[in-house]
Amino acid sequence: EAGVAQSPRYKIIEKRQSVAFWCNPISGHATLYWYQQILGQGPKLLIQFQNNGVVDDSQLPKDRFSAERLKGVDSTLKIQPAKLEDSAVYLCASSLDLEGHQPQHFGDGTRLSIL
Amino acid sequence: AQRVTQPEKLLSVFKGAPVELKCNYSYSGSPELFWYVQYSRQRLQLLLRHISRESIKGFTADLNKGETSFHLKKPFAQEEDSAMYYCAPQETSGSRLTFGEGTQLTVNP
Repeated sequence: EAGVAQSPRYKIIEKRQSVAFWCNPISGHATLYWYQQILGQGPKLLIQFQNNGVVDDSQLPKDRFSAERLKGVDSTLKIQPAKLEDSAVYLCASSLDLEGHQPQHFGDGTRLSIL
Repeated sequence: AQRVTQPEKLLSVFKGAPVELKCNYSYSGSPELFWYVQYSRQRLQLLLRHISRESIKGFTADLNKGETSFHLKKPFAQEEDSAMYYCAPQETSGSRLTFGEGTQLTVNP
């Protein structure tokens, strides 16, 4: 099966600019996750979707981050405006179920550098 | 607040030696526990989960509720085990995974 697809792979922007990331989950996977992984740390969940509904966005900095999954398939994560501390790898993952009994499948991530 | 601790950022062993990657958590109740692994130039992937009681690539993980630990073990390490390992508890079914900071395992020939 095709894996989770993410683009772009790399992005360099200046602080206060905007950026968007795209994720295409594995076909049929209802649950989609966006994680932020800062260098030297483990991934931290930003937002979790079940189909096109938000299940958990408690750790999403909503003043600058937004995400959507309008048709319950692809998703975009946006940062506006970016800060230096947003430099990280942004990982998208998907799974078949919500309860966590099925594994999460991760994409390659987007490495974001803020100048 | 719930926490997960992997005390060793780096762990180096020789091929054939036993290896133990430590994970401690501070969740109450009965969390579900996972180990994820990232090999060089590959994606993060599930290694094993406590609920399935399985052994993957020779690794096992024992849940010790008294010590709130979920250490990952393998009796004889192989060079291909070199990777970054993340412990990830899930407080309740359906809640988020909380990843530890990871342990970089290097198995030397």
